[in-house]
Amino acid sequence: GQQVMQIPQYQHVQEGEDFTTYCNSSTTLSNIQWYKQRPGGHPVFLIQLVKSGEVKKQKRLTFQFGEAKKNSSLHITATQTTDVGTYFCAGYYDSGYALNFGKGTSLLVTP
Amino acid sequence: DGGITQSPKYLFRKEGQNVTLSCEQNLNHDAMYWYRQDPGQGLRLIYYSQIVNDFQKGDIAEGYSVSREKKESFPLTVTSAQKNPTAFYLCASIGTESTDTQYFGPGTRLTVL
Repeated sequence: GQQVMQIPQYQHVQEGEDFTTYCNSSTTLSNIQWYKQRPGGHPVFLIQLVKSGEVKKQKRLTFQFGEAKKNSSLHITATQTTDVGTYFCAGYYDSGYALNFGKGTSLLVTP
Repeated sequence: DGGITQSPKYLFRKEGQNVTLSCEQNLNHDAMYWYRQDPGQGLRLIYYSQIVNDFQKGDIAEGYSVSREKKESFPLTVTSAQKNPTAFYLCASIGTESTDTQYFGPGTRLTVL
């Protein structure tokens, strides 16, 4: 079936280091979204990418959508302790009505 | 976020009992979703509804049931047939006019004793 794979499952960095999480799909996605879930909280929408090769930035966060629309990445520059949480990618397939979520990457940032 | 409420926040039930989780939204959204979250498993889709009086099974619908009698409400019943019901349950909604962004409720943490 159609699945969105996300790696790594966990990442532990020192404050100030960079962080990247990757999503891959075996089939083309119509769009991809990124969510952040703080410990004990619920997922909160960060951004949506729709176009092939699209790159969007939000302050220290950079989101990319691959040329083939099968992969995506989230890169955080100079992490801060406020970045702690689990980052999920989620994509729609052309034939679907529901988001397909990756399993998430849990980020721990130590000062 | 704001506009979607789930109750209760914490729920305990005895094994063998059915329990209904509430999800209400005042965002005038058409589509609503129920997810289950387990540690290390991400979000798995249980049921979703595109319009009132219609709903579809997701990836893990067995042992669950839903109804969509009103646009604002999408309750989820966890039946005794669900073998491992202890989990964090999240409700979400999107509007047809939106860019498919899902807005999540605060979740209900269900524990079966």
